[in-house]
Amino acid sequence: NAGVTQTPKFQVLKTGQSMTLQCAQDMNHNSMYWYRQDPGMGLRLIYYSASEGTTDKGEVPNGYNVSRLNKREFSLRLESAAPSQTSVYFCASSPNTSGPKETQYFGPGTRLLVL
Amino acid sequence: AQSVTQPDIHITVSEGASLELRCNYSYGATPYLFWYVQSPGQGLQLLLKYFSGDTLVQGIKGFEAEFKRSQSSFNLRKPSVHWSDAAEYFCAVGARYDYKLSFGAGTTVTVRA
Repeated sequence: NAGVTQTPKFQVLKTGQSMTLQCAQDMNHNSMYWYRQDPGMGLRLIYYSASEGTTDKGEVPNGYNVSRLNKREFSLRLESAAPSQTSVYFCASSPNTSGPKETQYFGPGTRLLVL
Repeated sequence: AQSVTQPDIHITVSEGASLELRCNYSYGATPYLFWYVQSPGQGLQLLLKYFSGDTLVQGIKGFEAEFKRSQSSFNLRKPSVHWSDAAEYFCAVGARYDYKLSFGAGTTVTVRA
């Protein structure tokens, strides 16, 4: 099992460009999450999908959109990138069979630089 | 809404010495509490979690944490640190009726020989 995979690993964008970050999990998990990590601020939740077919905003959703393509895949889209979106983005998944106390499993991250 | 404070941004410890990382949470009811570790360039890995029962929780890599309701704390400890424990450590809190986690800002641990 690969666990949670993310592509790309690193990306440089110019202000105003768009891009999609891809995330896939092979653990048959129901819930998936997108976080951003900034120095001194820990991880902040952007969007999450509690189950296939549903998505909800997290703490910092502005400037982002998400798609739960199927049970395995959860993508994050930046329609018009801004320098403030320079960050490390993590995707995570959890089984969602016994509630919020479940472990979240994280991917290796995508480093995004917006110039 | 729940929140987490990790008061120490950076801790340096000698190899073989003990380590304690502090975590204080804010939540109106009994929370779910987690400690994650992030090695350089890697994603986060769960060390341990608490959701009920015994307030002293054992985790992987020799770590343990104690839930103290009266102090709203969930401090992480390790009796003897190894060089491989150099990493960033995150405390997180979850609510019982919400799938979202709130993470602290993290504590970076440096291990000196």
